[in-house]
Amino acid sequence: SSELTQDPAVSVTLGQTVTMTCQGDSLRSRLASWYQKKPGQAPVLVMYIKNTRPPGIPDRFSGSWSATTASLTVTGAQAEDEADYYCSSRDSSGQHLIFGGGTKLTVL
Amino acid sequence: QLRESGPGLVKPSETLSLTCSVSNASLNDHSWTWVRQPPGRGLEWIGTIYFSGATKYSPSLTSRVTMSIDTAKNHFSLELTSVTAADSAMYYCARQRTGDFFDTSDFLLYYYMDVWGKGSRVTVSS
Repeated sequence: SSELTQDPAVSVTLGQTVTMTCQGDSLRSRLASWYQKKPGQAPVLVMYIKNTRPPGIPDRFSGSWSATTASLTVTGAQAEDEADYYCSSRDSSGQHLIFGGGTKLTVL
Repeated sequence: QLRESGPGLVKPSETLSLTCSVSNASLNDHSWTWVRQPPGRGLEWIGTIYFSGATKYSPSLTSRVTMSIDTAKNHFSLELTSVTAADSAMYYCARQRTGDFFDTSDFLLYYYMDVWGKGSRVTVSS
């Protein structure tokens, strides 16, 4: 498969927990990475290799992976977490990078 | 550490050319990727170039894309020919890391882009 599927939009109440998922057959052996994208800003890597956070990413962000699904969880969401989140990996051929359609996270 | 440069306006049917200048890193150590985001749409991978000069391109763009690398100038470049309004987008360059490892009984591969340029807005219009 050459697709990664994400829910178009999710919302969370300030301080609560939200999980965003990314599904695709290629994820069975090709791990996803996650990017936060705010308007007017470049994408920012927030998670990779299942549950590895880059320096500077708050520990309220966590990741997990199981079979064909990668997940990004925000525990205690803050207003500044409102953004689009994209997962990425390679397709099943391993030749081409692919992005999910993105999930718009709204913090209420 | 990455900075895109190039014309902000390109005429239809002409060639879009962008350069990504790399500082505080060697092109020889990683692979390098171009990603774009059209207005109101999601991220789209354009292609990746390796320090060897080998390239991989998006199947939807491969007939129009050429990427190159100049280790002497520490930059890499993107050319997209025969542009149309659909190519209007914010174009980003990024450093890509890849690897693999055994996790219990699974052999897993990973890919991520950890450093990004600020982006270069390109509009295709006459």
